[in-house]
Amino acid sequence: AQSVAQPEDQVNVAEGNPLTVKCTYSVSGNPYLFWYVQYPNRGLQFLLKYITGDNLVKGSYGFEAEFNKSQTSFHLKKPSALVSDSALYFCAVRDRVGDKIIFGKGTRLHILP
Amino acid sequence: DAGVIQSPRHEVTEMGQEVTLRCKPISGHNSLFWYRQTMMRGLELLIYFNNNVPIDDSGMPEDRFSAKMPNASFSTLKIQPSEPRDSAVYFCASSLAYNEQFFGPGTRLTVL
Repeated sequence: AQSVAQPEDQVNVAEGNPLTVKCTYSVSGNPYLFWYVQYPNRGLQFLLKYITGDNLVKGSYGFEAEFNKSQTSFHLKKPSALVSDSALYFCAVRDRVGDKIIFGKGTRLHILP
Repeated sequence: DAGVIQSPRHEVTEMGQEVTLRCKPISGHNSLFWYRQTMMRGLELLIYFNNNVPIDDSGMPEDRFSAKMPNASFSTLKIQPSEPRDSAVYFCASSLAYNEQFFGPGTRLTVL
């Protein structure tokens, strides 16, 4: 069965520093991988996805994620954090059959001014 | 494009009452998903439709919950009778084929 794990409930980063939000997955075959962000009192918003091709995927708001097949990871990164990046981040995985996406439990990112 | 539209945005009701949540997916999308989000349980998939047909309803908590999609542009999630433990934010999302999902703003349900 497919699954996704976000090992950190919360990540604190100083403004201007690089940030990483971790995600590992388990799926049979090659996965589709996604990152979403949720700001307070809003729905989830798509950030980026990996389907195939280059392992480094670039997305909205300067975020990027690196697909690592050997480590079954898809960590979200940003070179320089902004206070406005503070939000709840979800990693998600879908296998190549069906539309169902499995979401991680979310990681709350706090960017400290 | 207006995005996914959900109504109402907020609903306060008393235990035992029927609650109906509504969703209009993005035009052209062929998959629709209903989620529930709470602090305790996080984000849970309740049910999803593909081409208006329910595909997986294994996340529906119990028989009090039902969902319909009579056409490609409208879906409802009904709770009858409602209970205080149903209080949550309910999200609708839609997607095209195997692409990313687009979420609505959610309906915040409070059952007293």
